[in-house]
Amino acid sequence: EPEVTQTPSHQVTQMGQEVILRCVPISNHLYFYWYRQILGQKVEFLVSFYNNEISEKSEIFDDQFSVERPDGSNFTLKIRSTKLEDSAMYFCASSDLRTGGTEAFFGQGTRLTVV
Amino acid sequence: AQSVTQLDSHVSVSEGTPVLLRCNYSSSYSPSLFWYVQHPNKGLQLLLKYTSAATLVKGINGFEAEFKKSETSFHLTKPSAHMSDAAEYFCVVSTGFQKLVFGTGTRLLVSP
Repeated sequence: EPEVTQTPSHQVTQMGQEVILRCVPISNHLYFYWYRQILGQKVEFLVSFYNNEISEKSEIFDDQFSVERPDGSNFTLKIRSTKLEDSAMYFCASSDLRTGGTEAFFGQGTRLTVV
Repeated sequence: AQSVTQLDSHVSVSEGTPVLLRCNYSSSYSPSLFWYVQHPNKGLQLLLKYTSAATLVKGINGFEAEFKKSETSFHLTKPSAHMSDAAEYFCVVSTGFQKLVFGTGTRLLVSP
């Protein structure tokens, strides 16, 4: 069964460093997303990406964040100059217009710890 | 704007008894609604979805949910709980292709 894969599963970084979280969406999906879940809080939308550009972003997704689809398979989230409050589980998701589009398939998540 | 409210932060049941997790939604048009489950240290798994077809939706692992427009509800039920059902459950509404809006989650505890 096709699935969204994320790497690494856990990343520890020092405050101020840059991190790149990687995702391989399901092949042939057209919409890609990043969500995050701070420990003990609800899952929050960060950004959606379609046709090689951001289609919507939340107020959380400021200039510190960027997304990229560098090739035909990967979808990355870059966090520049990480802060302690960036510590969270980050989920990548993808969806397919042809199946109704609104169902998102999520990866297992990357737990980011900023120290 | 679309939103969902999960009415219980925790629900405790005994194994073999029914499960009811409550969710109310707010939407300016006919919504797409989902239930996702998150087991400890795991990702988010889709349980079931409602996209304006049948109002009673059957999902995986014996779960089902009923869309009630008059009550703006989308409660999740299961006739008989299993120990493996213990997890966090999220009611989710879609704003279209752009994003999903999650509820605050309900932690289901199942005792032997």
